[in-house]
Amino acid sequence: GEDVEQSLFLSVREGDSSVINCTYTDSSSTYLYWYKQEPGAGLQLLTYIFSNMDMKQDQRLTVLLNKKDKHLSLRIADTQTGDSAIYFCAESPSGGSYIPTFGRGTSLIVHP
Amino acid sequence: KAGVTQTPRYLIKTRGQQVTLSCSPISGHRSVSWYQQTPGQGLQFLFEYFSETQRNKGNFPGRFSGRQFSNSRSEMNVSTLELGDSALYLCASSLTSGGPSADTQYFGPGTRLTVL
Repeated sequence: GEDVEQSLFLSVREGDSSVINCTYTDSSSTYLYWYKQEPGAGLQLLTYIFSNMDMKQDQRLTVLLNKKDKHLSLRIADTQTGDSAIYFCAESPSGGSYIPTFGRGTSLIVHP
Repeated sequence: KAGVTQTPRYLIKTRGQQVTLSCSPISGHRSVSWYQQTPGQGLQFLFEYFSETQRNKGNFPGRFSGRQFSNSRSEMNVSTLELGDSALYLCASSLTSGGPSADTQYFGPGTRLTVL
């Protein structure tokens, strides 16, 4: 079955770049997503990438996809304390159906 | 414009009971999807409803069911509650079906269910 793996924690200094990594196993994955969950708040979609793309940039966020290695990363430039949250990677299969499988989440801690 | 609302916000039930959770989407949105978040299993997709029809379904037992009304409000029901059903249940709404690649999703604050 599908499996999505993420490291559990990442600690960075304010102003540095953060890179959160994710690996997935389903070779039929069509869309890969990054969600953010702040303490006590709901989930928020940050960005997504289609599997025929290698990179997608959206302001401070850069998503890189290595389809051969089934590796996805989210880079946050100039990380701020407000970026402290849990980041979830998710994949959804091909065929037009949205049936996401989520990773366990990476807790990003930004310290001054 | 009001956001996604979920009621109740907190709920305590005992094993064997059933529970119904409600999700009111943003006005005009026709898709509602449901998710379960637990410390043990993490975040899991339950199902998605669009125009009163279930469009997509995750891998959950039949005890978990849902429905959507003509005004797009959705309910999910869990019968014969088990301790492992204790979780934060999130719903999200969007204009169309197909997940966030089709249209932006907006999440509600969740319902925290505790099963004793």
